[in-house]
Amino acid sequence: QKEVEQNSGPLSVPEGAIASLNCTYSDRGSQSFFWYRQYSGKSPELIMFIYSNGDKEDGRFTAQLNKASQYVSLLIRDSQPSDSATYLCAVNWRTGGFKTIFGAGTRLFVKA
Amino acid sequence: KAGVTQTPRYLIKTRGQQVTLSCSPISGHRSVSWYQQTPGQGLQFLFEYFSETQRNKGNFPGRFSGRQFSNSRSEMNVSTLELGDSALYLCASSLGQGEDIQYFGAGTRLSVL
Repeated sequence: QKEVEQNSGPLSVPEGAIASLNCTYSDRGSQSFFWYRQYSGKSPELIMFIYSNGDKEDGRFTAQLNKASQYVSLLIRDSQPSDSATYLCAVNWRTGGFKTIFGAGTRLFVKA
Repeated sequence: KAGVTQTPRYLIKTRGQQVTLSCSPISGHRSVSWYQQTPGQGLQFLFEYFSETQRNKGNFPGRFSGRQFSNSRSEMNVSTLELGDSALYLCASSLGQGEDIQYFGAGTRLSVL
């Protein structure tokens, strides 16, 4: 059974701080890793994707992948109130096509 | 470039009925995946289609089915609706050929009464 685990939160950080979101997955065969942001009542919006071990930076966002420890994290620097949302970790297994398993999401609140 | 388009946005049905949802992917994208999102279960994978073929399937009963047309548009059908089928149904598209970055549509919110 493939599983993706996230702390449901809520995670509360002050404006300007670094928010750290974590995700673990159960299957070492996982090949692609994604972070989506979902505002209440809206559909998920892609923030980052990462395929290789290490860090990947895009603006205020950094994704970190450690395949040996089976975790992927998302750091949000200089957090803004507009970053308040649910962050979904997603893991793809390529099996001919691909199958995506999402974590339950972490709710983030950024206090002004 | 237009995004993923899902229709209708809202649906109200009664138990026992069937429903068909539609998804038009981003132009050039050939893979379409469907997901069910509920407060209790989160986002769950239903199935993925590529070039009119179902490549992967999640753990849902046979009442949930789908298909993809030659223009990559996809439909999802749920037969014999149950109250528990009330959910946000999301469609996501990707290039699908060696690349699996998915972009989501706005979703169809289905209410079963």
